[in-house]
Amino acid sequence: NAGVTQTPKFQVLKTGQSMTLQCAQDMNHEYMSWYRQDPGMGLRLIHYSVGAGITDQGEVPNGYNVSRSTTEDFPLRLLSAAPSQTSVYFCASTGSGNTIYFGEGSWLTVV
Amino acid sequence: SQELEQSPQSLIVQEGKNLTINCTSSKTLYGLYWYKQKYGEGLIFLMMLQKGGEEKSHEKITAKLDEKKQQSSLHITASQPSHAGIYLCGADGAGTASKLTFGTGTRLQVTL
Repeated sequence: NAGVTQTPKFQVLKTGQSMTLQCAQDMNHEYMSWYRQDPGMGLRLIHYSVGAGITDQGEVPNGYNVSRSTTEDFPLRLLSAAPSQTSVYFCASTGSGNTIYFGEGSWLTVV
Repeated sequence: SQELEQSPQSLIVQEGKNLTINCTSSKTLYGLYWYKQKYGEGLIFLMMLQKGGEEKSHEKITAKLDEKKQQSSLHITASQPSHAGIYLCGADGAGTASKLTFGTGTRLQVTL
């Protein structure tokens, strides 16, 4: 049981480049979410999904796209990376009893 | 939107001392989550509270959700260096557990 798996763990991008952060869970959870963590601001919700084919915006969605074609996968796409998107990204999934499991994080630097 | 305020922002305690971290919400909490994070690492789930007055313990850490469901406290008894890290509270304001609002964290240092 791998839990929530995020890749890559570290990435450096140039401004304007695009990339996808991958998130997969093997627990058959319906709910999945993406957060970003910035110094002094805690974690903020980017996008979330309540099931395959259903996504919605969180607090800070601009510059990011998501899709949920399967229950297992919830990729986060940066369309045109900006320095303001330098952050640590966490994917999460929600299990029975509303227990929320987080991945180990993806450290992204945009130069 | 729901806001969470954690206090204190940082804390330095001597090993063996007790400490309390508070998390206050601007709205009623449907669920309150406590996580621990070490610098440069992911979030470790500690506890989840859902009912007013609920109290849960794990090893030397106890968390409570007050009766009015707008404040939670995390208490560590006889602190150890392994308790050092950042403690985050997260609130489920909708009862769906699909999206949390987080506090800004409390940084705990434990000195020998």
